Amino acid sequence: DAMVIQNPRYQVTQFGKPVTLSCSQTLNHNVMYWYQQKSSQAPKLLFHYYDKDFNNEADTPDNFQSRRPNTSFCFLDIRSPGLGDAAMYLCATSRLGADTQYFGPGTRLTVL
Amino acid sequence: DQQVKQNSPSLSVQEGRISILNCDYTNSMFDYFLWYKKYPAEGPTFLISISSIKDKNEDGRFTVFLNKSAKHLSLHIVPSQPGDSAVYFCAARGSGTYKYIFGTGTRLKVLA
Repeated sequence: DAMVIQNPRYQVTQFGKPVTLSCSQTLNHNVMYWYQQKSSQAPKLLFHYYDKDFNNEADTPDNFQSRRPNTSFCFLDIRSPGLGDAAMYLCATSRLGADTQYFGPGTRLTVL
Repeated sequence: DQQVKQNSPSLSVQEGRISILNCDYTNSMFDYFLWYKKYPAEGPTFLISISSIKDKNEDGRFTVFLNKSAKHLSLHIVPSQPGDSAVYFCAARGSGTYKYIFGTGTRLKVLA
């Protein structure tokens, strides 16, 4: 089945220790998104790619970086995680011109 | 500033009755709206959408209504089933963008 896959599902890191979250898709969608969702809050868009064109949200901290080496893969790098970065990180994709986003299962990040 | 609001954090409904989930938005430039359902430990799953040129869209037991003058949309589930118990998010997209703004979600519990 075509899908959006996120690895790992659960990630524990230490304060200040860099961490990378991974997203892959078999849908061949042009657009990929990273969202951060904290408990009882709305998913918050961090950035999105239209193909390789990177679009950063104005309020996304510099601590968060992203890479999209090819259509299928997208990575979220958190350079120096703080306690406030503990959250669920959701990856989503959509086809250019289509209106629906497809989400992966998320990675829950814990910062100790 | 929360542009998409779901003011009811939770809702309980008896099986077989109607569930009505509400969503308000502030930006009149939003032109497309989605509803997602989210089970624990899973990513959001697309449920139903509506364009701003329509005021109603139906898909089986699910109907979304859009009142543009009130900047309000609602999701009706009839009849409600225990398997509908989940968190429901509404999301709105700005015209000409790929970006969606999400509400904080409403937790629906359907009682058997």
